Amino acid sequence: DAGVTQSPTHLIKTRGQQVTLRCSPKSGHDTVSWYQQALGQGPQFIFQYYEEEERQRGNFPDRFSGHQFPNYSSELNVNALLLGDSALYLCASSLLRDPGGGYGYTFGSGTRLTVV
Amino acid sequence: AQTVTQSQPEMSVQEAETVTLSCTYDTSESNYYLFWYKQPPSRQMILVIRQEAYKQQNATENRFSVNFQKAAKSFSLKISDSQLGDTAMYFCAFMKLLTGNQFYFGTGTSLTVIP
Repeated sequence: DAGVTQSPTHLIKTRGQQVTLRCSPKSGHDTVSWYQQALGQGPQFIFQYYEEEERQRGNFPDRFSGHQFPNYSSELNVNALLLGDSALYLCASSLLRDPGGGYGYTFGSGTRLTVV
Repeated sequence: AQTVTQSQPEMSVQEAETVTLSCTYDTSESNYYLFWYKQPPSRQMILVIRQEAYKQQNATENRFSVNFQKAAKSFSLKISDSQLGDTAMYFCAFMKLLTGNQFYFGTGTSLTVIP
């Protein structure tokens, strides 16, 4: 049973550029959440997608946007990249009806984004 | 708003010894979940243990146990018989019970197990 797959694993972008990160959820999961983990910090919630719609959003600017596809996979897009966007971006999948109170979440290994 | 505080940036322990990681949190919610996650160099967040706030009994998972003090809003993790594979970042996290769909993480504690 495949877990959460994120691509690419590493990425270097120039300030002002745009980037797209991808996440394939665990088999059977229908909900995808994205987190930003800056160096030396804990992950911070960006947003969550279910049924191709954004259910909830954390305190992130509109430069951060997402999408969920009919197969439940998801993309995170960041426009006009800033140096401060350099971080590890984690994807977590779950089943909305049965998140298991946290037991039901599976995290990927993340994408390391470096903005230069 | 929910906040999670981990005041120990780094800790070390001798192999086979016991270590306790501290976590405090702040919330106005009465029902919630608390978690400890492990993040090894592979970067994947791995669930170590979960505690339901409405349960008085402290959760235990093999060598891992918690000391949950609801009134004090304290949630510490005890690792017994530490193993080299326990070396990792450990994050304390909070989730609301009924409407929970996001984790609130602390800043983490880097644990090194010394052979």
